[in-house]
Amino acid sequence: DTGVSQDPRHKITKRGQNVTFRCDPISEHNRLYWYRQTLGQGPEFLTYFQNEAQLEKSRLLSDRFSAERPKGSFSTLEIQRTEQGDSAMYLCASSPQTGNTEAFFGQGTRLTVV
Amino acid sequence: GENVEQHPSTLSVQEGDSAVIKCTYSDSASNYFPWYKQELGKGPQLIIDIRSNVGEKKDQRIAVTLNKTAKHFSLHITETQPEDSAVYFCAASWGFQKLVFGTGTRLLVSP
Repeated sequence: DTGVSQDPRHKITKRGQNVTFRCDPISEHNRLYWYRQTLGQGPEFLTYFQNEAQLEKSRLLSDRFSAERPKGSFSTLEIQRTEQGDSAMYLCASSPQTGNTEAFFGQGTRLTVV
Repeated sequence: GENVEQHPSTLSVQEGDSAVIKCTYSDSASNYFPWYKQELGKGPQLIIDIRSNVGEKKDQRIAVTLNKTAKHFSLHITETQPEDSAVYFCAASWGFQKLVFGTGTRLLVSP
């Protein structure tokens, strides 16, 4: 399968712990996005990379959140000192830069903070 | 910033009926309007999209219409089937960058 891959699929952590999620975009997709989706809501934009450059960050991305895409390929999203309010599905999407085409989403990482 | 409203929040139809989901957006600069289908435990899957230079687009049983003046766009599903049951999200963006999503419509198609 050459779609967007996210790891892990599920993560349960205790409040105050740090967690890191990984996203592998579709090969040669320059653009990579992170979204957060809480139960019963639509995905909310967190941040966006074009190659290795982080071009935009949402106000939702507090200083406990950090995202990287060091080589312009896979990306990581880290949450430090997790809070119960961080419990959500974290979705990654990618799209090619040329042609202005649609974003393809991964299956997401479901985070539960207990 | 952009705001997208979506209605209804739930929609129940009988198999074979049509389903219509409506969205409105606030930013007149938005020029790309995709629709995603999300099944339980999965990521959103693009089912159809429309660009601002087009008023209507159809793909087999699904169609999308766009009214730029009123800032409305709608998803139409004809001859619904039980496998169409899912949550549907509309979204809007400018320049194919970040998407702003609606709150979703849970569609239930009963056999």
